[in-house]
Amino acid sequence: NAGVTQTPKFQVLKTGQSMTLQCAQDMNHNSMYWYRQDPGMGLRLIYYSASEGTTDKGEVPNGYNVSRLNKREFSLRLESAAPSQTSVYFCASSGDRGRRSGYTFGSGTRLTVV
Amino acid sequence: SQQGEEDPQALSIQEGENATMNCSYKTSINNLQWYRQNSGRGLVHLILIRSNEREKHSGRLRVTLDTSKKSSSLLITASRAADTASYFCATVTGANNLFFGTGTRLTVIP
Repeated sequence: NAGVTQTPKFQVLKTGQSMTLQCAQDMNHNSMYWYRQDPGMGLRLIYYSASEGTTDKGEVPNGYNVSRLNKREFSLRLESAAPSQTSVYFCASSGDRGRRSGYTFGSGTRLTVV
Repeated sequence: SQQGEEDPQALSIQEGENATMNCSYKTSINNLQWYRQNSGRGLVHLILIRSNEREKHSGRLRVTLDTSKKSSSLLITASRAADTASYFCATVTGANNLFFGTGTRLTVIP
């Protein structure tokens, strides 16, 4: 069981470039999430998908878009990367939106925008 | 804004000692969860305590919850070097999403 798989693990972008972070889970979870982690800030929710076919904004959605491609996959897109988007990005999934059990996290994508 | 705040921000103890981390939050919750993050890795769920529970145990972990004070504590007993990590509390609110605190960095010295 792979759990939550994120690709790529590392990425360097130039300001203005675009890229898509990929996330896939094999636990048949309904809900998927994208967080960013910055030093001293903990994790902040960017976007989430409560179920297949739905997406909603989290705390810090500006500059990002998401696509829930199917039940397994949830991608995060940066259309025009900015240095402020330098961060570590984590994808997570949950079978019950955290009501009875914890989230399962991927290992992260470390993104640097220069 | 962040839902939770951990205290202390950093904690250094000797192997075998107990480690206590505290978490305060701002609004009513459905449950509170604790996660561990080893350096450069993803987060791992440790334990969940519901809003109507006051204490919960899992192995060497003991979690307490005081909803009147909007606070929780995580106790790790008989710490080991492998417990060195950052620990985060996270709360599930009525919106059913998980909001994280800023974390406590624990160092256990062999």
